[in-house]
Amino acid sequence: GQSLEQPSEVTAVEGAIVQINCTYQTSGFYGLSWYQQHDGGAPTFLSYNALDGLEETGRFSSFLSRSDSYGYLLLQELQMKDSASYFCAVGSNYQLIWGAGTKLIIKP
Amino acid sequence: DAGVIQSPRHEVTEMGQEVTLRCKPISGHNSLFWYRQTMMRGLELLIYFNNNVPIDDSGMPEDRFSAKMPNASFSTLKIQPSEPRDSAVYFCASRTSGRPTDTQYFGPGTRLTVL
Repeated sequence: GQSLEQPSEVTAVEGAIVQINCTYQTSGFYGLSWYQQHDGGAPTFLSYNALDGLEETGRFSSFLSRSDSYGYLLLQELQMKDSASYFCAVGSNYQLIWGAGTKLIIKP
Repeated sequence: DAGVIQSPRHEVTEMGQEVTLRCKPISGHNSLFWYRQTMMRGLELLIYFNNNVPIDDSGMPEDRFSAKMPNASFSTLKIQPSEPRDSAVYFCASRTSGRPTDTQYFGPGTRLTVL
């Protein structure tokens, strides 16, 4: 089968750094994507890794290791507005296979 | 660009009634997805269209669900008859191409409550 594993919930303090891990097992692989979803909102694209290594976009970075079937999203200088759910998703065939999401709770 | 448009934003109906959800994808996008999201099951892909043709409907729960895409700018998801377990947020998303690597752009969703 195809599956993605990510923690259900992560708690961090405002201003800190947090890492959300994702491991995957899929029949095809066309890259690892990350989406953010605020409560009551729709998922929005954050980042994408096709090759091994780190991709940086402002305070957010995403890492991929294809040999380990593993990736992570790194959020730095956490702000209260970063409180949301974060989904990893693997491109497989024509679609994305989605993880169950990680709820990020940020405390002041 | 107006983004993906969905209507209605909220729908409350009684069990047994027909429900029709509507979606207008971003102009120029040729891939369209319908998703359902619940706390219990997370984000589930219901059906995928490419160039208005249904490619994969294996996620459609049962015969009560049907989806159409009569043209490149409009799609519907119909539930008939609706049941309380259909209560969820239904998202429509579009993408520029058939490549799984391209970003999916989600609409605001339709929150469906079946009483």
